[in-house]
Amino acid sequence: DAGVIQSPRHEVTEMGQEVTLRCKPISGHDYLFWYRQTMMRGLELLIYFNNNVPIDDSGMPEDRFSAKMPNASFSTLKIQPSEPRDSAVYFCASSPDSPYGYTFGSGTRLTVV
Amino acid sequence: KQEVTQIPAALSVPEGENLVLNCSFTDSAIYNLQWFRQDPGKGLTSLLLIQSSQREQTSGRLNASLDKSSGRSTLYIAASQPGDSATYLCAVSGGNKLVFGAGTILRVKS
Repeated sequence: DAGVIQSPRHEVTEMGQEVTLRCKPISGHDYLFWYRQTMMRGLELLIYFNNNVPIDDSGMPEDRFSAKMPNASFSTLKIQPSEPRDSAVYFCASSPDSPYGYTFGSGTRLTVV
Repeated sequence: KQEVTQIPAALSVPEGENLVLNCSFTDSAIYNLQWFRQDPGKGLTSLLLIQSSQREQTSGRLNASLDKSSGRSTLYIAASQPGDSATYLCAVSGGNKLVFGAGTILRVKS
């Protein structure tokens, strides 16, 4: 298996633009997670899905953030409009089931200027 | 709310030294605990996973222990090497969510 695949690896955009981050989980994993990592706040869970259904989005910072999982092999995290404070590394992770381990993607480094 | 603390925040040791990284968590009702490694500008690599019913796990020079009742875990690295330099993150799962500590930045000097 190729692991969790995220795209793009790097994204630079101007404030106010829409940004879409993409994730392909490991086949057969029922859980998908979106995390954000910053120097100030470390790794924070934004939202997670189980069998394509959003379960907990309490970590989504604002209405500007939205996430979808239209099928078992694809998820998106969208920021509209983007702001400089959204600059961070966004990670996607998948898991077959709790209490088993999680596998993380390589992350998308987002810079909003 | 689960909180995870890692001590020390940073550690610098000479090559060959054995070392211990510490992780503590406030809620002992966890499913598992996972140690990750993160190299600068890279993603997270899983090192060891300890289920709540287990006391320790070993992989090569790494050994992780878990004491649920006291809310503590340690990661022991034997005979450290410069290639071990990275940030080590502890994360606990109380269900389907992982809660991370801030990490320990390790530097092994040659």
